[in-house]
Amino acid sequence: DIQMTQSPSSMSASLGDRVTITCQASQDIGNNLIWFQQKPGKSPRPMIYYATNLANGVPSRFSGSRSGSDYSLTISSLESEDMADYHCLQYKQYPLTFGSGTKLEIK
Amino acid sequence: QVQLTESGPGLVHPSETLSLTCTVSGFSLTGYSVYWVRQPSGKGLEWMGRMRYNGDTSYNSALKSRLSISRDTSKNQVFLKMNSLQTDDTGTYYCTRGGRFDYWGQGVMVTVSS
Repeated sequence: DIQMTQSPSSMSASLGDRVTITCQASQDIGNNLIWFQQKPGKSPRPMIYYATNLANGVPSRFSGSRSGSDYSLTISSLESEDMADYHCLQYKQYPLTFGSGTKLEIK
Repeated sequence: QVQLTESGPGLVHPSETLSLTCTVSGFSLTGYSVYWVRQPSGKGLEWMGRMRYNGDTSYNSALKSRLSISRDTSKNQVFLKMNSLQTDDTGTYYCTRGGRFDYWGQGVMVTVSS
């Protein structure tokens, strides 16, 4: 199975900060990665498709990038509504595997 | 519009079998896959398995021996059955439409406790 190592597990940042969350894949997954945002008590919402493509309706302050086996979700200027958990998912190979999640809090 | 709704018992006793139903509308089960994803309380997401549009299934390696996914296309329903439940199976269980993962159910909370 492909392992997705996500970091950090939690972080606290101030409004306006640039925030980056990373997932590292244990095998080649190409760009077959989705980033999800999940707010308390809600279902996950896809934010980034195919590692770098913004989903419909997602603010442009969100972006995705890839460097080798490392995949990053970046929020360019943190807003209060971005407080949530973030998860990566690889869909290159079954079984699909998620990262362990990142809890993003506002300072 | 596309909707998925999970249903099932909120409480299951240890060693018993969990049975959940995902009822879908707005799309056909013969055109889209449906996945099951769970989330232990306060923890991350775990992909459990899928019912493919053609009736094939795939399972999480760690759950494969306990898990079964089936469907009734005439009722637009996908079923999950998992046996030998333990307390660490407690959490929220979701179904989601495959492909873009853009539609999810609201989730059903399952507690495993005696």
